[in-house]
Amino acid sequence: EPEVTQTPSHQVTQMGQEVILRCVPISNHLYFYWYRQILGQKVEFLVSFYNNEISEKSEIFDDQFSVERPDGSNFTLKIRSTKLEDSAMYFCASSDTPTLNTEAFFGQGTRLTVV
Amino acid sequence: DQQVKQNSPSLSVQEGRISILNCDYTNSMFDYFLWYKKYPAEGPTFLISISSIKDKNEDGRFTVFLNKSAKHLSLHIVPSQPGDSAVYFCAARQAGTALIFGKGTTLSVSS
Repeated sequence: EPEVTQTPSHQVTQMGQEVILRCVPISNHLYFYWYRQILGQKVEFLVSFYNNEISEKSEIFDDQFSVERPDGSNFTLKIRSTKLEDSAMYFCASSDTPTLNTEAFFGQGTRLTVV
Repeated sequence: DQQVKQNSPSLSVQEGRISILNCDYTNSMFDYFLWYKKYPAEGPTFLISISSIKDKNEDGRFTVFLNKSAKHLSLHIVPSQPGDSAVYFCAARQAGTALIFGKGTTLSVSS
């Protein structure tokens, strides 16, 4: 069964450092998302990406964040200068089209710990 | 601004009984609603969905009900099983936009 894969599963970084979270979406999907879940809180939308550009982003997704699809398979989230409050589980998701009512498939998540 | 609200953080049910998880939303433009299940250390997995043109969708033990006038949906699990113990997230979206999640309800099913 196709799945969304995320690496690494756990990343520890020092405050102020740059971090890149990687995702391989399901191969025929066209619409990609990043969400995060701070411990004990809800799953929050960060950004969606379609046709090689950001289609939607939340207030959380400020200038410290960027996304990229560097090749035909990977989808990355970069945090330029991490803060303590960036510590969270980050989930990548993909869906096959933004126009039809279909579900998004989520990866296992990357636990980011900023120290 | 909570567009999707799950007001019960937890629910405990005995095996074999019905579990009812509730979700309220504020955005009348939402036209598609989903339930996801999440186990610890895993990503959310899709469970069941409903379009705004329907008021019920059933898949095995899982049924989702939508009351558009009340902006309320619920997930019924019958009969509940210990393996159903997980966090359940309600999510909603307008066509072409990202899913908006509720805070989740932790379901515990005891045997």
